[in-house]
Amino acid sequence: EAGVTQFPSHSVIEKGQTVTLRCDPISGHDNLYWYRRVMGKEIKFLLHFVKESKQDESGMPNNRFLAERTGGTYSTLKVQPAELEDSGVYFCASSQDFLGDEVSYNEQFFGPGTRLTVL
Amino acid sequence: QKEVEQNSGPLSVPEGAIASLNCTYSDRVSQSFFWYRQYSGKSPELIMSIYSNGDKEDGRFTAQLNKASQYVSLLIRDSQPSDSATYLCAVNRGSTLGRLYFGRGTQLTVWP
Repeated sequence: EAGVTQFPSHSVIEKGQTVTLRCDPISGHDNLYWYRRVMGKEIKFLLHFVKESKQDESGMPNNRFLAERTGGTYSTLKVQPAELEDSGVYFCASSQDFLGDEVSYNEQFFGPGTRLTVL
Repeated sequence: QKEVEQNSGPLSVPEGAIASLNCTYSDRVSQSFFWYRQYSGKSPELIMSIYSNGDKEDGRFTAQLNKASQYVSLLIRDSQPSDSATYLCAVNRGSTLGRLYFGRGTQLTVWP
């Protein structure tokens, strides 16, 4: 079974340009997450899709970031216009449906990440 | 106060020793706890999940959870040089759906 894939693996752009990152989750996983790791900091949550719906986008830093998940399959994360502080590694993760009890069994599997450098 | 705190290390142990990695979390309602291993330049790889107080063993790995103390640890027995990596502690607070809170990670080096 293929894991989470992300494209591109690296992107170097200039400040003010637009970049679009893509994530393909594990087949059958309804939950898709975007995270970001800025150098020297911990991995931080950006947003969570359940199928094509945004379940939680509280981690999105500002309105320069736009995430979509077409048809509940792959997802894109667009940064427009990019700023210097957007540099970092963007990870995508996916998980299966939660089990139907009080505890959130939520094993998330991560993709290799996209390293974004804004110059 | 950070949501999840880990000793940044680096932690260095000889081959064959037990490596002990620690993590504390701030929110008492946290329900699910995970350990990820990340090799340099690679994706975080899920190695252990634990949901109940006590110990959970999987091969050479043992996760320990103490909700009263808000503490979770990972023991690696018979450490191997291939275990050298950064270990990330992640916590899911059930109230915030699937979102994970991560610590900064502990860098482990196992020397032969």
